[in-house]
Amino acid sequence: AQTVTQSQPEMSVQEAETVTLSCTYDTSESDYYLFWYKQPPSRQMILVIRQEAYKQQNATENRFSVNFQKAAKSFSLKISDSQLGDAAMYFCAWGGIQGAQKLVFGQGTRLTINP
Amino acid sequence: NAGVTQTPKFRVLKTGQSMTLLCAQDMNHEYMYWYRQDPGMGLRLIHYSVGEGTTAKGEVPDGYNVSRLKKQNFLLGLESAAPSQTSVYFCASSPRTGFYEQYFGPGTRLTVT
Repeated sequence: AQTVTQSQPEMSVQEAETVTLSCTYDTSESDYYLFWYKQPPSRQMILVIRQEAYKQQNATENRFSVNFQKAAKSFSLKISDSQLGDAAMYFCAWGGIQGAQKLVFGQGTRLTINP
Repeated sequence: NAGVTQTPKFRVLKTGQSMTLLCAQDMNHEYMYWYRQDPGMGLRLIHYSVGEGTTAKGEVPDGYNVSRLKKQNFLLGLESAAPSQTSVYFCASSPRTGFYEQYFGPGTRLTVT
């Protein structure tokens, strides 16, 4: 079975600074997807970024980028130029290719942005 | 498009009562999912469906039943609610082909006293 671990329950960063959220996972499958979801106080789950495991190039979306280390089973999220609107819970998730594309989530990291 | 909607948004139940949560999507997605979110545990999969008339168990299925009689709807039932089922419930859907992404509903906060 797949597992996803986020070892940082809480993180804080000064506005305009850069912060990195950690995620490790365990799987025996060779092809899969990894995701970072954002959950603001509204509770809505918002997809931040997606990485396909067979692609070596790290995904980027504007101020958000990942550091994907497949051999180490590590998938960290870097947020550059942090903004107050980035404050939220962030969840890392693993997604299988076979069957129903079920997601396995980490425990979450609560990110606080200090003005 | 409304995307994924959930009814109700909030509910309080007494132990032993039953209820049904309704999830509806208007994106013609084949796959649908029910998750529960508890503090410090992320989201965990309860049940899922790969198409109309089919359902399967996820990671934490005990105490829940589901049905998918129509492609656009996925119902989650609690036959005899327990305090351990106090949680936030999320429904999600995804297409069978194309861009790999699950679209989430706004969640239902359920309290069982």
